Amino acid sequence: NAGVTQTPKFQVLKTGQSMTLQCAQDMNHEYMSWYRQDPGMGLRLIHYSVGAGITDQGEVPNGYNVSRSTTEDFPLRLLSAAPSQTSVYFCASSYEGKVGTQYFGPGTRLLVL
Amino acid sequence: AQSVTQPDIHITVSEGASLELRCNYSYGATPYLFWYVQSPGQGLQLLLKYFSGDTLVQGIKGFEAEFKRSQSSFNLRKPSVHWSDAAEYFCAGGWLSKLTFGKGTLLTVNP
Repeated sequence: NAGVTQTPKFQVLKTGQSMTLQCAQDMNHEYMSWYRQDPGMGLRLIHYSVGAGITDQGEVPNGYNVSRSTTEDFPLRLLSAAPSQTSVYFCASSYEGKVGTQYFGPGTRLLVL
Repeated sequence: AQSVTQPDIHITVSEGASLELRCNYSYGATPYLFWYVQSPGQGLQLLLKYFSGDTLVQGIKGFEAEFKRSQSSFNLRKPSVHWSDAAEYFCAGGWLSKLTFGKGTLLTVNP
């Protein structure tokens, strides 16, 4: 098992550009989440999904879109990047069998100029 | 609103000394509680978790945590700190796909 994978590892964008952060898991987990990490702020939940076709907003959803067409993939879209979206993004997955335990990906470091 | 608070932003201890990192939670019901560790430039590693039952939880790397419902706390402890324990520690609470994280405690270990 590769676990939770994220691509790219690092990305530089200009203000206004769009991009998609990819997240995939091969553990057949129902639940997936996106977090952003900023210095002194811990991790904050952006969006989450409880299964294919079902997504919901977290604490800081503005400026981000998600969809979940398959169990394995949960991409995060930035439609028009802003400098405030400079952050490290973590994807995580979990399932009922290990209630609450989230498995985190290695992160994507995003710089918006 | 649900919240997790780590009162200490930065703690410095000497190698071999004991360690306690504080975590308080505010939820309508007792959430599942976790401690994660993050080394510089790395991802998150789960140290331990509490769901129910025994209030003293053992984790990896010699860490343990005690859940105290009366104090809404879930403090992390280690009897003897090693230099390799220097990292940032995050307490988190929640369920399944929705975790609320504290802002983290940076641990420095002096030789």
